[in-house]
Amino acid sequence: QSVLTQPPSVSGAPGQRVTISCTVSSSNIGAGYDVHWYQQLPGTAPKLLIYGNNNRPSGVPDRFSGSKSGTSASLAISGLQAEDEADYYCQSYDSSVSGSVFGGGTKLTVL
Amino acid sequence: QLQLQESGPGLVKPSETLSLTCNVSGGSINRSSYYWVWIRQPPGKGLEWIGNVYYSGTAYYKPSLKSRVTISVDTSKNQFSLRLSSVSAADTAVYYCARLGDHGGSYLYWGQGSLVTVSS
Repeated sequence: QSVLTQPPSVSGAPGQRVTISCTVSSSNIGAGYDVHWYQQLPGTAPKLLIYGNNNRPSGVPDRFSGSKSGTSASLAISGLQAEDEADYYCQSYDSSVSGSVFGGGTKLTVL
Repeated sequence: QLQLQESGPGLVKPSETLSLTCNVSGGSINRSSYYWVWIRQPPGKGLEWIGNVYYSGTAYYKPSLKSRVTISVDTSKNQFSLRLSSVSAADTAVYYCARLGDHGGSYLYWGQGSLVTVSS
């Protein structure tokens, strides 16, 4: 069972805004570590969307935004497009294992 | 532009050892700013961190895999490797290599992934 909890699925119509939550369930992870977000299209490697809770790497559209408050983080996607249909994962650091932990993933369906 | 490429057998028999190598090009593996990482994804499931290795050879592993995993680095070849012993069908997955450290604790660079099937 993942210590980062995401909803299994979300959906939205083109042009709408959706949010994906990522809730920390461990005090190790909740101790101020950053949350990062990835987009994974079918058959491809994950792509970094948001790092350090709310920063976009070069080339990521500003339709994607992130936030973190306490032990909960969110990814927001505005102006939803068909090509946004993908799996989305949150990731953070677990000091108890000196390594990374991923959320279970959320499948975004564009209606 | 940094590139990572996994290589190794696509089919491994149960109880045997899975071995994969990640070749790094476009940058040196021998840098203090980064960790080199293996992550796997069983078919239809989520991402699972396996472990990290530093250029010095210091490694950290997921506790549930620690007894079976070795991650090593070969700076002369600019590559790092994964060995997972006593495999079972549960180890069937796409195995990714990645670099940790470009933006804090996130993964900017990934390999394309290598599907390893455990089957007799």
